[in-house]
Amino acid sequence: GAGVSQSPRYKVAKRGQDVALRCDPISGHVSLFWYQQALGQGPEFLTYFQNEAQLDKSGLPSDRFFAERPEGSVSTLKIQRTQQEDSAVYLCASSPPTQGRLREQYFGPGTRLTVT
Amino acid sequence: AQKITQTQPGMFVQEKEAVTLDCTYDTSDPSYGLFWYKQPSSGEMIFLIYQGSYDQQNATEGRYSLNFQKARKSANLVISASQLGDSAMYFCAMREPGGASYDKVIFGPGTSLSVIP
Repeated sequence: GAGVSQSPRYKVAKRGQDVALRCDPISGHVSLFWYQQALGQGPEFLTYFQNEAQLDKSGLPSDRFFAERPEGSVSTLKIQRTQQEDSAVYLCASSPPTQGRLREQYFGPGTRLTVT
Repeated sequence: AQKITQTQPGMFVQEKEAVTLDCTYDTSDPSYGLFWYKQPSSGEMIFLIYQGSYDQQNATEGRYSLNFQKARKSANLVISASQLGDSAMYFCAMREPGGASYDKVIFGPGTSLSVIP
């Protein structure tokens, strides 16, 4: 079956531009996570959705970052007035509604954002 | 606060040899889960293996095994019979207790593994 997909895979933005990054989770997955991965580092949590509800946005670095998942499936991460420090890979992950011990997250390929 | 440490920024291993990637963690919660993910140059995070804090036995998945030493708070990944395709970044991660509804996962800084033919 299809995995998590993200688009675009690569995005170059000039400083000050707004960008929108899309995530299509695995069908039926209730939970959706966004992570930011700077070069040479591990992913860092940004925000979490359960269906359409954004239950945790504690990792969003500033009010320029905004995420939505209006119908509980596709999610968009929007960054306004991009800055050079926003350059990173943005990873999306989803997980099924099971409450098992593993609760593995399935990751997409990421969007590499470069702000010039 | 929970934290993951991976002290080996880069590792080399000869093809067909075994390699151990180190991971230590810090948490005060008795219930937690530990993961290892592989990230090849394509960028996608690939789940490898999971260990629950209450699991009595070390986890194994094919060529991957997790050397879980709870008292030392270490969860080292052992890859047996290394293959060229194992060359990638490896991340140790811990599931931070976030209640029954979701799990916030904290990642370590990663270890770059290069397999030499």
